[in-house]
Amino acid sequence: EVQLVESGGGLVQPGGSLRLSCAASGFTVSSNHMTWVRQAPGKGLEWVSVIYSGGSTYYADSAKGRFIISRDNSKNTLYLQMNSLRAEDTAVYYCARGVAGRVTSQDYWGQGTLVTVSS
Amino acid sequence: QSVLTQPPSVSAAPGQKVTISCSGSSSNIGNNYVSWYQQLPGTAPKLLIYDNNKRPSGIPDRFSGSKSGTSATLGITGLQTGDEADYYCETWDSSLSAGIFGGGTKLTVL
Repeated sequence: EVQLVESGGGLVQPGGSLRLSCAASGFTVSSNHMTWVRQAPGKGLEWVSVIYSGGSTYYADSAKGRFIISRDNSKNTLYLQMNSLRAEDTAVYYCARGVAGRVTSQDYWGQGTLVTVSS
Repeated sequence: QSVLTQPPSVSAAPGQKVTISCSGSSSNIGNNYVSWYQQLPGTAPKLLIYDNNKRPSGIPDRFSGSKSGTSATLGITGLQTGDEADYYCETWDSSLSAGIFGGGTKLTVL
């Protein structure tokens, strides 16, 4: 059974850092495109970043230069390192598995982890 | 404001049909596949449609997708109260080199 479990969210001060983790089971993270999507309270979905099975990475403009997506194949885990956090980064962060071979389209999602940026 | 434009809300009666539009441009919908998601309150999004019109296993054929030019449409027939949710379109934007979501549409089943 495919499962994605995010962790690492919490309260952080503006300018601080946080690393989110997404532990996968039932499939191999490195064999699929893996995406981070966030949702601010009461707002819509916002695409954040993707790491392709081949290792290429892409970011939303809001994340460029501050966030880094990566994976640890030995742990079958996806990460999102978030630096220089701002109040507008406050959101539930979801990790999701891409449909095989598709640039977008995510067929399995985690339950999400809440990041709150506030002093 | 999202690059992809969706109506904020749509409504219809149980048993009826509803369509949700998603309008973009040549850099996104016009040259890339579109996906659609359903998000029930307090839950993670669920993939309904990918590659413009394909349904993942387990998604009923009441849900359909289509694309024409720089717009895409999600159709839902035989509306049920359980279909009340937010619906989002998604695609890749070749100019941004990033994925993008529409602003979302809240479906109310009256």
